[in-house]
This record gives sequence, C-alpha cells and structure tokens, in this order.
Amino acid sequence: EVQLVESGGGLVQPGGSLRLSCAASGFTFSDYWMNWVRQAPGKGLEWVANINQDGSEKYYVDSVKGRFTISRDSAKNSLYLQVNSLRAEDTAVYYCARLRSGWNALDYWGQGSPVTVSS
Amino acid sequence: QSVLTQPPSVSGAPGQRVTISCTGSSSNIGAGYDVHWYQQLPGTAPKLLIYGNNNRPSGVPDRFSGSESGTSPSLAITGLQAEDEADYYCQSYDSSLSGPVFGGGTKLTVL
Repeated sequence: EVQLVESGGGLVQPGGSLRLSCAASGFTFSDYWMNWVRQAPGKGLEWVANINQDGSEKYYVDSVKGRFTISRDSAKNSLYLQVNSLRAEDTAVYYCARLRSGWNALDYWGQGSPVTVSS
Repeated sequence: QSVLTQPPSVSGAPGQRVTISCTGSSSNIGAGYDVHWYQQLPGTAPKLLIYGNNNRPSGVPDRFSGSESGTSPSLAITGLQAEDEADYYCQSYDSSLSGPVFGGGTKLTVL
C-alpha cells in the first residue's frame, strides 16, 4: 500500500525556517517525480515545487523561488522541503504527492503538515 | 487567483447529474496538456478522481467521468449521492511554470 506521511510542520515566526519531511513507503520511491502542494486556510490547492527521480531537476512556483528548497534521499525513501524566510502568506497545509508515471497527475497524497507563520 | 478557472459552486439533488467545467489557456489546457480531477472531502487530503481527461483510478465509481471539449474540459457526476458533497479541483500542466496548475475548486452541494 502506497503511503506518504508528512512531518515537520508547526508554528513559526515571520522570517523563520522549517524543514518538512515526507516518508514514502509501499512503492519504489526512486522511480517517481515527487511534489509539494499547499493549501492555505479556506483556499484552493497551489503547487509549490517538484523534483525528478534522481534530484537533478527541481522546479518551483515563482512565489517561493529563492526561499524554499526541495530535495530527496532515496536511501531513506524521503522527500524534504526546506522553507526559509517564511511569510504570513506561506501559512498552509503542505502536502507531498507522487506524480503518476506517464501522466502529470498526482496519484497519491499524504495527510498534510500544517505550517502557521505568525508572531 | 488560480491559473485554471472553475465555477465556485454547483448543486444538485440526489440521483441527478451535475457537471463542473475547467477553463485554461494556451500554456496549459490549450497547449494540449491533459486535465485531471481531484475530490477533496472536508478535512481530508485531495484524492485523484480522473486522470488523462477520462481515466479512473482503481476504486473510483463509474458515476464519475471526464470529458474533453476543446479548451474547456469538464467533470460529470451522475446519480448524485450525499457522500459526493466535497470540493472538486481540476489540474493540468503549465509549460510556462514547468509544473502542475490547479483550478480554484468547485464546492458541490447535494441538496
């Protein structure tokens, strides 16, 4: 059974940092593109970043470029999102999601890790 | 403001059929990229409902279907049930972003 379990979220002050983690199981992690998607309270879904199978390609939404860094460790079957210089507008639930092979669809999602940026 | 456009809400009585449209632009749907649909029940993570315009992952009832119509694909739900009440999102790929883009979501109310 495919499982994605996020952790690392919490309350952080503006300008602060967090490292979100996503532990993957039930599939060959190194075979898939992985993504981070966020959802602000009461709002829709927003793609944040993705990374290819070996970590050589990374893409970000403009609003987080230079502040967020996506990475992965295939030995640990884990995906990460280092979030720096946090702003109030980064407050959201952060989901990791797997890209379905051969498609640009996200076929498995974690339960989400909430991040609140507030003083 | 979302890259893809969906109606904010739709409603229907049990047993009825509803459709949800999704409009994009020349860098995503208009460029020929597939459209996918997600269902998000209250307080839960999104779930893939339809991929590649009209393919259902295992376990998704055939009451859910997608259609492709030029640059405005849609999701259809037939035989509405109370448990279908949720938010629905369309998603495609945008070449200018090199990543997925989503619609703003449509809240389905079963009357």
